[in-house]
Amino acid sequence: DSGVTQTPKHLITATGQRVTLRCSPRSGDLSVYWYQQSLDQGLQFLIQYYNGEERAKGNILERFSAQQFPDLHSELNLSSLELGDSALYFCASSPGTFVNIQYFGAGTRLSVL
Amino acid sequence: DQQVKQNSPSLSVQEGRISILNCDYTNSMFDYFLWYKKYPAEGPTFLISISSIKDKNEDGRFTVFLNKSAKHLSLHIVPSQPGDSAVYFCAASAVENTGNQFYFGTGTSLTVIP
Repeated sequence: DSGVTQTPKHLITATGQRVTLRCSPRSGDLSVYWYQQSLDQGLQFLIQYYNGEERAKGNILERFSAQQFPDLHSELNLSSLELGDSALYFCASSPGTFVNIQYFGAGTRLSVL
Repeated sequence: DQQVKQNSPSLSVQEGRISILNCDYTNSMFDYFLWYKKYPAEGPTFLISISSIKDKNEDGRFTVFLNKSAKHLSLHIVPSQPGDSAVYFCAASAVENTGNQFYFGTGTSLTVIP
């Protein structure tokens, strides 16, 4: 158990809808990272937050947004969903901003029908 | 634009032999490299890492080699055990202003045959 909790585990929704994925980092970790893994693809880095502030941005679509709350949990919001957004979404946490080792949650599998 | 590439989708090795997993990268600004291991229905788990200023790092049965001139990274597992059967991801990080960007390969599925 990595200590990182992601909910829900599975999510099935329709095109055009909006969903929110939730992540609770390991106790004491201030950085949260979000990744997308599509079929047969590597993990694509989306965004990093540190102590509530956005710190690094990857190939995150404008339809996607994230935030980190004062209690350090994070949410990834996906809107105007398309079939191609179906993927596994991972959250990871680490103690600091430039700490390279990350601890991953088990992921949320999103299916857009 | 895939900046980290794992060109072998799968690898099979006999128990007790060496497993060698390879990774190539394109960005010379990467300052840290990591290997993660992933079992089905679980998130990736950190295995071993290496700074760009080193060329080798060893941790028990796992050794990572970095060849900066070739922009090539490899993970050696000796001896291989059936429990090592998993998907292995190579990752690289680059500092970007106030945070870190991470790039992952597509993974190599290792099967260790008893």
